[in-house]
Amino acid sequence: KQEVTQIPAALSVPEGENLVLNCSFTDSAIYNLQWFRQDPGKGLTSLLLIQSSQREQTSGRLNASLDKSSGRSTLYIAASQPGDSATYLCAVLYSGGGADGLTFGKGTHLIIQP
Amino acid sequence: DAGVTQSPTHLIKTRGQHVTLRCSPISGHKSVSWYQQVLGQGPQFIFQYYEKEERGRGNFPDRFSARQFPNYSSELNVNALLLGDSALYLCASSPKRGWETQYFGPGTRLLVL
Repeated sequence: KQEVTQIPAALSVPEGENLVLNCSFTDSAIYNLQWFRQDPGKGLTSLLLIQSSQREQTSGRLNASLDKSSGRSTLYIAASQPGDSATYLCAVLYSGGGADGLTFGKGTHLIIQP
Repeated sequence: DAGVTQSPTHLIKTRGQHVTLRCSPISGHKSVSWYQQVLGQGPQFIFQYYEKEERGRGNFPDRFSARQFPNYSSELNVNALLLGDSALYLCASSPKRGWETQYFGPGTRLLVL
């Protein structure tokens, strides 16, 4: 069974700090990995998508890395702001042609203290 | 352009009833996927439809069914509702078979009493 694990489950840091969220997956035969943001009671917003052939993707203050061989991805948030407070979800698409859909972790609940 | 839209936004049902949830994908997107998100958990894959055909199914009972229409909108049907079906139901669309970035709608919050 393919599993995605996110550590930590919750994180609270002061505004301005740089932080790293971790994601691990059990099966390295992935097609891509995607990081999402979810605000309370809302849908998911895609932040970054990394194809299996890529090592990292960057968007503004966000940088995501992928190491398929070790089954790990990290999401780096620079100069955190209170507006970054949300739940961050990691999701993996396995190389079955997408027929199994995305496999999600349980998320990291992030609070940025003003 | 409008994003993925879902209706209704909230729904309350009682055990044993039936429910239909609706999703309209982003214009030009031909793939629609459905996910169930129970409180405190990550979303779980239910179905994927592409070009009106089922292309993938998650580990959900036969009480769950779906279909995709010629305009690529989709319905998720759940029969014989159980308390455990209470969740946020998310719809996602992508241009092709879901191998690209998936764009999620705001979800339908279902409460089963």
